[in-house]
This record gives sequence, structure tokens and C-alpha cells, in this order.
Amino acid sequence: NAGVTQTPKFRILKIGQSMTLQCAQDMNHNYMYWYRQDPGMGLKLIYYSVGAGITDKGEVPNGYNVSRSTTEDFPLRLELAAPSQTSVYFCASSSETSSYEQYFGPGTRLTVT
Amino acid sequence: GIQVEQSPPDLILQEGANSTLRCNFSDSVNNLQWFHQNPWGQLINLFYIPSGTKQNGRLSATTVATERYSLLYISSSQTTDSGVYFCAASRGNFNKFYFGSGTKLNVKP
Repeated sequence: NAGVTQTPKFRILKIGQSMTLQCAQDMNHNYMYWYRQDPGMGLKLIYYSVGAGITDKGEVPNGYNVSRSTTEDFPLRLELAAPSQTSVYFCASSSETSSYEQYFGPGTRLTVT
Repeated sequence: GIQVEQSPPDLILQEGANSTLRCNFSDSVNNLQWFHQNPWGQLINLFYIPSGTKQNGRLSATTVATERYSLLYISSSQTTDSGVYFCAASRGNFNKFYFGSGTKLNVKP
């Protein structure tokens, strides 16, 4: 079991560029989440999904898009990157069979300059 | 959303000491979890505890849902316990989590 994997680990973007952060899990979890963590702060929910084809906004969705075409994958798309999107991005997954405990990926550190 | 407040913001312990971390939330919750973020940034789930008490080794947690708080107890602390401890809660929408700003713990040898 690889758990939750994220790619890339690090990325530098120029203002206005776009990119996709990849997230995959091999635990057959139905719930998946994207969070961002700014320095010295807690995590803020960007988007979440309760199953393939179903996504919904979290606390800070502006500037991001998601899709969930399979149970395993939950990519996060940044369009027109802005310096305010400089952050560490974490993907997580959970399910009823794992007592709703969230399992996190290692994170992607993104810098927008 | 829910307001989640954690205290203390910083804590320094000598190895072997015990500690209690607190999480207050502004409304009734149906999901509450505690996490540890190690100094390398990795997040690990410690407890799913919307109510009641759970124990896992030297760690235990208690949530008193009616009084809107949760406590995380660390006994006989070790240097590997260092890092940031977060609680996160949701209400209504089970998956829409709100995190506190964390308690940064430094355990000195």
C-alpha cells in the first residue's frame, strides 16, 4: 500500500501560469480532500469529493478547480497562478471503513513568483 | 463555518513530562479529529473522536461535545512527540473540515 501519493514535491510557477497537482490513493477510499497550509497556520479546505464524479467547494476554492473521474485520483488544477497561491498543498483521503480518519499525502510545496 | 481555537499556541516540555492540549469549537460538531504534523511536515491522524474518550499508547483524547471542547493528553513525552498538533472539526456537512491553528510542541531531551 503506497497510501496517498502526491506529485510533484516542489514547483515554482510564474504569475499567470497554470498547473495540475496530482493526488492518488490506493486504499479504495471514497472521500478525498485538498488542503492548503500557509506558513505557521492550520490547513484550509479547498475542495473535497465524496466519490467519483462528485466534488464540492471547501473554505477557499477560488482560483482552483478539481475533478474526480476515478475513485483513486483527485487532481487539483491551478489556473492563472497568483502569488497568493504560494503555499503547501496536501491531499487526503478517508472512508467509513477507516473510521473517517484522514490519511495525508506528503504535500506539494508551490511557489508563485 | 465553525471556529476552532487551540491552546496553548506553544508548549515546551522536558522529556518525560505530561501535557494537555485543548481544542474549543464554536458549534456542535459531528466529526472531530486530532493530527500530528512532524518537523518534516508529514501529517498523521491521531484520533477520530466526535465524542467520548479514546486511548492509543501514551496518547489519549476526550471530547465533551455538549461543552464544545476536546482535550489531547500526552503522557511521558518523548522528543519524537515534537511538532504541531492540530484539531479539525466539521458540522452538518461531515466532510467540510475546519482546522485550528495548532499547538507547537517542543520536547527537550
